Amino acid sequence: SAVISQKPSRDICQRGTSLTIQCQVDSQVTMMFWYRQQPGQSLTLIATANQGSEATYESGFVIDKFPISRPNLTFSTLTVSNMSPEDSSIYLCSVEDWDYSGANVLTFGAGSRLTVL
Amino acid sequence: GEDVEQSLFLSVREGDSSVINCTYTDSSSTYLYWYKQEPGAGLQLLTYIFSNMDMKQDQRLTVLLNKKDKHLSLRIADTQTGDSAIYFCAEMRLGNYQLIWGAGTKLIIKP
Repeated sequence: SAVISQKPSRDICQRGTSLTIQCQVDSQVTMMFWYRQQPGQSLTLIATANQGSEATYESGFVIDKFPISRPNLTFSTLTVSNMSPEDSSIYLCSVEDWDYSGANVLTFGAGSRLTVL
Repeated sequence: GEDVEQSLFLSVREGDSSVINCTYTDSSSTYLYWYKQEPGAGLQLLTYIFSNMDMKQDQRLTVLLNKKDKHLSLRIADTQTGDSAIYFCAEMRLGNYQLIWGAGTKLIIKP
């Protein structure tokens, strides 16, 4: 399965600043996903990032707040803009993947834990 | 309400079996997954089951699927302290690559 490197693993940010999270995959993948996990909560899909096209955002998420880049098939970035304490979350990168038997699975990075003061 | 539901907590004694339950609503589910999240870590795929199966066993893990009742369970035999984590149930629906996630069950191991 794919191996995903995500950085930073954690950061403490000041209100009003922006932070870019990077996601690097060790193989070419078509679909990459960005999730948010707020403290004590489940996962919420922010957007789907396909190479060569604009990211598709889920309801409640907009490009101005969460701009995404997908310059090639192994890399993506998510920027959290103009941060407020409500943006304190774990942000997770994931890719569409397949296991040894061909089953469709999602593989995740280790996550980026952001704390906004 | 939630499309995928799980209890928020489960407490078991070390060495006992843990059974984590999940219910879902959409009969078009193709795959159902169990992911594990240890403290401070990302999500790790534990196991999955295809919707035309009713049981899957993998070492200490047994997944049972009751399609009629839309009920999925994960049994962990001989629970160890390293099994302490949050376990997420998720479903993939036919024609949609997105996963629908449960809220996660926190497994607490008592000595």
